[in-house]
Amino acid sequence: ETGVTQSPTHLIKTRGQQVTLRCSSQSGHNTVSWYQQALGQGPQFIFQYYREEENGRGNFPPRFSGLQFPNYSSELNVNALELDDSALYLCASSPTVYYGYTFGSGTRLTVV
Amino acid sequence: GIQVEQSPPDLILQEGANSTLRCNFSDSVNNLQWFHQNPWGQLINLFYIPSGTKQNGRLSATTVATERYSLLYISSSQTTDSGVYFCAVEGGESSGDKLTFGTGTRLAVRP
Repeated sequence: ETGVTQSPTHLIKTRGQQVTLRCSSQSGHNTVSWYQQALGQGPQFIFQYYREEENGRGNFPPRFSGLQFPNYSSELNVNALELDDSALYLCASSPTVYYGYTFGSGTRLTVV
Repeated sequence: GIQVEQSPPDLILQEGANSTLRCNFSDSVNNLQWFHQNPWGQLINLFYIPSGTKQNGRLSATTVATERYSLLYISSSQTTDSGVYFCAVEGGESSGDKLTFGTGTRLAVRP
């Protein structure tokens, strides 16, 4: 069902390192959002981009940053990784707010 | 921000049984979606339903926006229905354009 692709699927990093997660959305999906899902919890909103500009941010520190590119791809960057950053990271895209969001299959990040 | 509550938190069914999952939300919404998360973490969109009723095979959903709740019906359940069901809403004065998720209903369907 999904036209949203995320890479990599799994990743192991050491505390203090930096990581970049990638997402490729469907053509025409101008809105992309990133979510963090800890084990046993619902996804939590990190931030949203619309036409390459950040237009909303959740309760996450500045070491979580992102980019959206003209080709409907986007990145989530996390600096100075902490053990609590271990989670499933989900990317979601939408053409407009009236069509709902489609999620990718996620990147499972483990910080050791 | 907007609050989303789902019930029940856990549900065990025998294959073939029917069930109703509920989602209550604390403010007006312009988007409500039901998702099924499979064991591999994929969030599958079941319904985009900010209001009204929709059906898709054995699944149907109803949102009564004026009373701030939504229901997901699963009929003739199958083992492949197992997983976590999330309700997510977008809206409310201070929520902006983002989805706020409930805590989910964990469903196990026994053969």
